[in-house]
Amino acid sequence: AQSVTQLDSHVSVSEGTPVLLRCNYSSSYSPSLFWYVQHPNKGLQLLLKYTSAATLVKGINGFEAEFKKSETSFHLTKPSAHMSDAAEYFCVVSANTGRRALTFGSGTRLQVQP
Amino acid sequence: NAGVTQTPKFRVLKTGQSMTLLCAQDMNHEYMYWYRQDPGMGLRLIHYSVGEGTTAKGEVPDGYNVSRLKKQNFLLGLESAAPSQTSVYFCASSYPRGGVTYEQYFGPGTRLTVT
Repeated sequence: AQSVTQLDSHVSVSEGTPVLLRCNYSSSYSPSLFWYVQHPNKGLQLLLKYTSAATLVKGINGFEAEFKKSETSFHLTKPSAHMSDAAEYFCVVSANTGRRALTFGSGTRLQVQP
Repeated sequence: NAGVTQTPKFRVLKTGQSMTLLCAQDMNHEYMYWYRQDPGMGLRLIHYSVGEGTTAKGEVPDGYNVSRLKKQNFLLGLESAAPSQTSVYFCASSYPRGGVTYEQYFGPGTRLTVT
């Protein structure tokens, strides 16, 4: 069994300040972890993924995440927010066996204030 | 290379009507999935397929059926639509290799309203 908890449903930051979106996961197996972004009325775009290689993962648009097995966390960060980062962010876990379906967190809505 | 496409983009149904959503991918992916997205709940898996001719139930399969007659297509059917099926539906595909799950590629979604 696997699950994902996104610790904040809404995060608001000012443009140019750091972004931190928090995610904890639970998995019976060694998991793959992803962050997806969804802009309003759009589909989902992959930001980055962890698949048991380096624990610090760099993604698109300056985002990165660190896999911490001891804390079962996979927090998403960005040093400096841009207005275009305003969107919904989903932390996702998948077992590396079986149907390999994704289990989604409930999402964090990021607001970026000018 | 279109990736994952979904037809239609929008649909309004009356309670009891039926319809089929079509998903097509041109990446030669083995695995395909149907999800629904409801406010505050992320995406939930309805049905999935690990290859042509195979289908299986996900977390929320009731009221839906699927078919995968061709590798590139995955159809989602609603036999008798209910207001609880008002949602945004996403199709996805992936190609797992070895012991690692690679990312899924998502279609643009179908917004379905059942009145």
